[in-house]
Amino acid sequence: EVQLVESGGGLVQPGGSLRLSCAASGFTFRDYWMSWVRQAPGKGLEWVANMRQDGSEKTYVDSVRGRFTISRDNAKNILYLQMISLSAEDTGVYFCARVEREFIYGRHSYYLDYWGLGTLVTVSS
Amino acid sequence: SYELTQPPSVSVSPGQTASITCSGDKLGDKFACWFQQKPGQSPVLVIYQNNKRPSGIPERFSGSNSGNTATLTISATQAMDEGDYYCQAWDSTTGVFGGGTKLTVL
Repeated sequence: EVQLVESGGGLVQPGGSLRLSCAASGFTFRDYWMSWVRQAPGKGLEWVANMRQDGSEKTYVDSVRGRFTISRDNAKNILYLQMISLSAEDTGVYFCARVEREFIYGRHSYYLDYWGLGTLVTVSS
Repeated sequence: SYELTQPPSVSVSPGQTASITCSGDKLGDKFACWFQQKPGQSPVLVIYQNNKRPSGIPERFSGSNSGNTATLTISATQAMDEGDYYCQAWDSTTGVFGGGTKLTVL
């Protein structure tokens, strides 16, 4: 059974830092791209970052580029999100998700097929 | 940056068909996914690659994608289908979500 368990959330002051973790099990972690998605209180989903299996490719939403860093440890089956210079706009639940990737009809298809329960990040003084 | 637009809300009577649209520039050239999210829960993938259902998703959920619009259709809607629905697509390796649609079954 695929399981993704996020941790590391909490209360942090504006300008502070936090590192989130996502422990993966039930599948071969090193074979999959992984993503972080967040959701501000009462708001919609926002994709945050992607990472290729070997770490050679990382993509970020514009609002976090330069402040957030996605990384992974394939030996420990853990995905990370290092966050610095946090502001109130970064408050929300952060989900990690597995990215299923297929090549179909001559093009790449990606979809987030498994999600964790999320970890809450609150940026407030 | 790429954007996806959804109606904020859709209402449907039990047993009727609900349609939720998602608009984006040349969205039909991309693959669209749909997620269902109930309060306090993680999103659940209900449609991927425009019209495929993951294992365990009821047949009443279907999808289409053409031109600038992807559509999620829920046939014979049940009370348990109430929740927020999000479309999602990829602009290269950058993910994009629609703003979400609250489906009310009344």
